[in-house]
Amino acid sequence: SQKIEQNSEALNIQEGKTATLTCNYTNYSPAYLQWYRQDPGRGPVFLLLIRENEKEKRKERLKVTFDTTLKQSLFHITASQPADSATYLCAPGHNFNKFYFGSGTKLNVKP
Amino acid sequence: EPEVTQTPSHQVTQMGQEVILRCVPISNHLYFYWYRQILGQKVEFLVSFYNNEISEKSEIFDDQFSVERPDGSNFTLKIRSTKLEDSAMYFCASTRPPTSGGAPQETQYFGPGTRLLVL
Repeated sequence: SQKIEQNSEALNIQEGKTATLTCNYTNYSPAYLQWYRQDPGRGPVFLLLIRENEKEKRKERLKVTFDTTLKQSLFHITASQPADSATYLCAPGHNFNKFYFGSGTKLNVKP
Repeated sequence: EPEVTQTPSHQVTQMGQEVILRCVPISNHLYFYWYRQILGQKVEFLVSFYNNEISEKSEIFDDQFSVERPDGSNFTLKIRSTKLEDSAMYFCASTRPPTSGGAPQETQYFGPGTRLLVL
């Protein structure tokens, strides 16, 4: 069965630095991969989607890469701010019927 | 901006009781979903619903669960006989129809969740 792995350990970085989060998947060939942000007690909020034929996607301070050979996506936040502190979830997918989320990586940005 | 809404925000029930969780998806959205998140764990897919029928369901979504779209706006999740392990946050989500521009069609818009506690 498919497996989605995100680093379960929290990532602690200093304000202004670049945060890099990793999502690895196995036994799966997604057509796209989504990244969401989740704050405590709240629902996930969509950030970015990258398709299998795209190598990189950017939105403001966010950048996502997608390597279908390595079965990996990297999510970068540049010039990180304390307000970026949250849990970030990846969700590979290929249709509208079913979405599976990784367990998420908690990011702590210290001022 | 339109939002997915869910009621109630919190629900406490006794084991064995039936609960109905309610969601109002964004009005022109086409696919609807229920997820659950046990405290400290990942968001788990339960069921997707399209064109007034279940599109797909996970192994978690057994016979004690059912979904319904009783009218043009509400989308409900019923748990027939709650168990202690059903205690979780339940999220409703929806995806929009294809249009030009804006967020990708696969974007899921989540509600604020209903925290269910089964005693």
